[in-house]
Amino acid sequence: AQSVTQLGSHVSVSEGALVLLRCNYSSSVPPYLFWYVQYPNQGLQLLLKYTTGATLVKGINGFEAEFKKSETSFHLTKPSAHMSDAAEYFCAVNPYNQGGKLIFGQGTELSVKP
Amino acid sequence: EPEVTQTPSHQVTQMGQEVILRCVPISNHLYFYWYRQILGQKVEFLVSFYNNEISEKSEIFDDQFSVERPDGSNFTLKIRSTKLEDSAMYFCASTAGLTPNTEAFFGQGTRLTVV
Repeated sequence: AQSVTQLGSHVSVSEGALVLLRCNYSSSVPPYLFWYVQYPNQGLQLLLKYTTGATLVKGINGFEAEFKKSETSFHLTKPSAHMSDAAEYFCAVNPYNQGGKLIFGQGTELSVKP
Repeated sequence: EPEVTQTPSHQVTQMGQEVILRCVPISNHLYFYWYRQILGQKVEFLVSFYNNEISEKSEIFDDQFSVERPDGSNFTLKIRSTKLEDSAMYFCASTAGLTPNTEAFFGQGTRLTVV
């Protein structure tokens, strides 16, 4: 069965520092990959997704992620953290040819210190 | 900007009672989903719904659960006889087509507390 692992349930960075949130998936066939963000009292919002083509994908708010098939990873990065980036981040996969459902990781809460 | 709306934002219910969680998906969307997140755990897929029927359901979605699109706008999740372990945040989502080609839009969630 497909699964998604996010390393670190809490990540804290200083404002201006690099943000790196890790995501690994288990799948014999590369799935479609997503990052979602959840701000307090709001729904999940799509940050970016990888389906096919270029393995480095850019999303909203300066985030990007790179699909590495050999490492079964889809880590999320942002060069310089902003206070407004503090939120919960979810990595998710859509298993190939299995309809529209998403399988989520457990989430990583990002804190940004001034 | 179109959004998925869920009501109520927080529901407290006694064990054994029935609850109905309501969602208004985006109006031109065709696929509807429920997910839940138990505190401290992963967001888990419950069920997907298309063309007025369930297209897929998870092991969690047992006979206690049902979904309905009663009036062409609302999409509801009913839990027939709640258990303590049903306490979770429940998210509704909708898409215009099948992922990954279209974005899934999520509601803000309903926090269900069973006491």
